[in-house]
Amino acid sequence: GQQLNQSPQSMFIQEGEDVSMNCTSSSIFNTWLWYKQDPGEGPVLLIALYKAGELTSNGRLTAQFGITRKDSFLNISASIPSDVGIYFCAGHTYNFNKFYFGSGTKLNVKP
Amino acid sequence: GAVVSQHPSRVICKSGTSVKIECRSLDFQATTMFWYRQFPKQSLMLMATSNEGSKATYEQGVEKDKFLINHASLTLSTLTVTSAHPEDSSFYICSALEGSRNTEAFFGQGTRLTVV
Repeated sequence: GQQLNQSPQSMFIQEGEDVSMNCTSSSIFNTWLWYKQDPGEGPVLLIALYKAGELTSNGRLTAQFGITRKDSFLNISASIPSDVGIYFCAGHTYNFNKFYFGSGTKLNVKP
Repeated sequence: GAVVSQHPSRVICKSGTSVKIECRSLDFQATTMFWYRQFPKQSLMLMATSNEGSKATYEQGVEKDKFLINHASLTLSTLTVTSAHPEDSSFYICSALEGSRNTEAFFGQGTRLTVV
């Protein structure tokens, strides 16, 4: 299957700091999505990206669909304690109608 | 966003018994649903793709007779873990496709299965 490399694996930051995480793939995706998962819960969709180069914001979150269609990043500005959780990127292809997930970035925010 | 409800959220069963997990799309119709398994501190592992009115497509290494999937309506897919064993204990999550482009997947809350 397709591999998504997500980094960093974990982050420890101070409240108020900005955060950036990214995903790269060896293959092209038609859609990139970013999810947040809290312990014991299902992932919640944060942002969906559909076009190469697209930059989309959702509150303090900003994500971009890479020009090559093989990568995406997620930025969180002015982090707050409730941002704590695991963030997953996911790529979707029309060919196989599947979602491939990154390994996740665990975010810890110190008040 | 669209709402997907998964039930039960937790279940404990004895070895050898079967457990059914339901995944419902509450405010939209989903022709395609996915079932994942997630081990602690790991990413989601796709088990199968469930299509309404047809047989599910299983990923390599996933036993279709062990994990029975039924997608009988546009709002409900079920996963039945048959003859469960302790190694089947895991977090199972479903997702459903929604959106005009049908490429946004919304997840249920997950089901924590413990087989004793």
